[in-house]
Amino acid sequence: GDSVTQMEGPVTLSEEAFLTINCTYTATGYPSLFWYVQYPGEGLQLLLKATKADDKGSNKGFEATYRKETTSFHLEKGSVQVSDSAVYFCALIYDKVIFGPGTSLSVIP
Amino acid sequence: NAGVMQNPRHLVRRRGQEARLRCSPMKGHSHVYWYRQLPEEGLKFMVYLQKENIIDESGMPKERFSAEFPKEGPSILRIQQVVRGDSAAYFCASSPRASQFRNEQFFGPGTRLTVL
Repeated sequence: GDSVTQMEGPVTLSEEAFLTINCTYTATGYPSLFWYVQYPGEGLQLLLKATKADDKGSNKGFEATYRKETTSFHLEKGSVQVSDSAVYFCALIYDKVIFGPGTSLSVIP
Repeated sequence: NAGVMQNPRHLVRRRGQEARLRCSPMKGHSHVYWYRQLPEEGLKFMVYLQKENIIDESGMPKERFSAEFPKEGPSILRIQQVVRGDSAAYFCASSPRASQFRNEQFFGPGTRLTVL
């Protein structure tokens, strides 16, 4: 069945470091891909999305490119801030949303 | 435009009691989805509803759990005879059209259920 795999956390980075959170998927069709972010004690917020191969989603300095050939949707940010500390979920939508397990990010000053 | 609303935000129940979780979708959204997030785990799909219809309940436990989305009023997720393993965060999401159309789902803040 369809599934999403994310890199294990937690990830701890210093402020202004480069961030990569790997995400790969398996799907029988052509899903849309999303990154959601969950701040402590809150619900999920959409961070960015891509609906077809080679699309690049971007928001708040975060980027991810839909790579069909490698079935990946890695999240990147060039310079993280303390306020980026949260749990990040990669997800695919085909006939339902399937989430990855989440990657916890802590950014220290 | 108000977002997805869930209440209560926190719910404490003793084993054997019933838990009722409510979700009001965004205005204009007729599709509602429920997810459960167990401690230290990701979100798992439970059920997908449209007004007065359950479309997909493949993620719902076979016993004690039920969901509805009546013509009027919020969607309700009901858990009967709760057990400690039901302790989790329950999130509701809504979309204006079916997820088959690859639409983004908008999430509520969640209800955190604690079973004592």
